[in-house]
Amino acid sequence: GENVEQHPSTLSVQEGDSAVIKCTYSDSASNYFPWYKQELGKRPQLIIDIRSNVGEKKDQRIAVTLNKTAKHFSLHITETQPEDSAVYFCAALGDSSYKLIFGSGTRLLVRP
Amino acid sequence: DAGVIQSPRHEVTEMGQEVTLRCKPISGHDYLFWYRQTMMRGLELLIYFNNNVPIDDSGMPEDRFSAKMPNASFSTLKIQPSEPRDSAVYFCASSSGTEDRTDTQYFGPGTRLTVL
Repeated sequence: GENVEQHPSTLSVQEGDSAVIKCTYSDSASNYFPWYKQELGKRPQLIIDIRSNVGEKKDQRIAVTLNKTAKHFSLHITETQPEDSAVYFCAALGDSSYKLIFGSGTRLLVRP
Repeated sequence: DAGVIQSPRHEVTEMGQEVTLRCKPISGHDYLFWYRQTMMRGLELLIYFNNNVPIDDSGMPEDRFSAKMPNASFSTLKIQPSEPRDSAVYFCASSSGTEDRTDTQYFGPGTRLTVL
């Protein structure tokens, strides 16, 4: 079945710097890749997603890139702010079901 | 819309007791998902329903876990008997359902379960 690996597990950046989180997936049939942000004690919330027919998508300070050949996708956050501090999860959806497989999460700390 | 509603928000019980977690999906959503989140295993899908019918329960750990969806606005996840290793945050999520299956899954606030 699908397996999603996420790196790094923790990331500390200075406010204003960029942060990059990378994920790889195993099922070449996967066609949908959402990213969720989870603040401490809160629920995961979708921040951006990308479909397999698109190589890049941007929404203000966040962007996601997808390389289907290499089976990896990345989250880019520019001009980081302290409120970006949270755990970020990538996920992949298989070709024939609604089953989202999540990465292990990246704890991002933005230092003021 | 109030979003996905879960109850209770916190549950503390003793080993061997029955635990029932409840979820109300967003009105009009055809898909309902139960997830479990732990430090060791991360966020994992237990089961999901489409139009009240269980579609994939391959993530249900063992026979002690059962889930039902008697109608479009209510689902339960039951653990009987509960064990300390069941301690986790249990999330319910729902989505509207689209042809390409890329619709957003909206998570509820979760139930933090502690089994002593």
